[in-house]
Amino acid sequence: SQQGEEDPQALSIQEGENATMNCSYKTSINNLQWYRQNSGRGLVHLILIRSNEREKHSGRLRVTLDTSKKSSSLLITASRAADTASYFCAAGRGSARQLTFGSGTQLTVLP
Amino acid sequence: DVKVTQSSRYLVKRTGEKVFLECVQDMDHENMFWYRQDPGLGLRLIYFSYDVKMKEKGDIPEGYSVSREKKERFSLILESASTNQTSMYLCATHPPRGNTGELFFGEGSRLTVL
Repeated sequence: SQQGEEDPQALSIQEGENATMNCSYKTSINNLQWYRQNSGRGLVHLILIRSNEREKHSGRLRVTLDTSKKSSSLLITASRAADTASYFCAAGRGSARQLTFGSGTQLTVLP
Repeated sequence: DVKVTQSSRYLVKRTGEKVFLECVQDMDHENMFWYRQDPGLGLRLIYFSYDVKMKEKGDIPEGYSVSREKKERFSLILESASTNQTSMYLCATHPPRGNTGELFFGEGSRLTVL
């Protein structure tokens, strides 16, 4: 079964606004990763948060992890049109082979 | 920078044809993966390899095989393509140390089977 499930499936915002995407997973993990995919391209790793961390920042990205609720969120602040892409969470349970991806959130940032 | 190259970005094949998708990486990573991506289903692991000539089935190996004769090259083979194999195929690599790290992806190969 799918580990990571993103919510919402699609999100449309204006440039300058913040975008929040959520991810839920089912079983125990040792890390949660977020990836970005531009249309028709490969995935690019954005950020990894370990199970013993609660929050992590990288530039305009902020990721939180709540292991008690089995959920994570990705916040993109001050969004830009170039942030338009699909965003995927991936739940890691140990080896890279055990990385399970969700179905993604399609973010559209309107100029 | 890690570079993962998938030689074919777009392919159109007919049902029953044999299809080769090739992936080459330049960073000496032991682990290589093939995923397929379909709308609403996320990425699903087809096969992975943790060393030359070593391979293991992923979650959806049926209808696929793989080859890893050299460390830098991992090929996905569709012995007899079918229309339900129309999809985006993504190759990824993972470095040997630290088993919780990021995957590095190629640009993808979009296969259409008619």
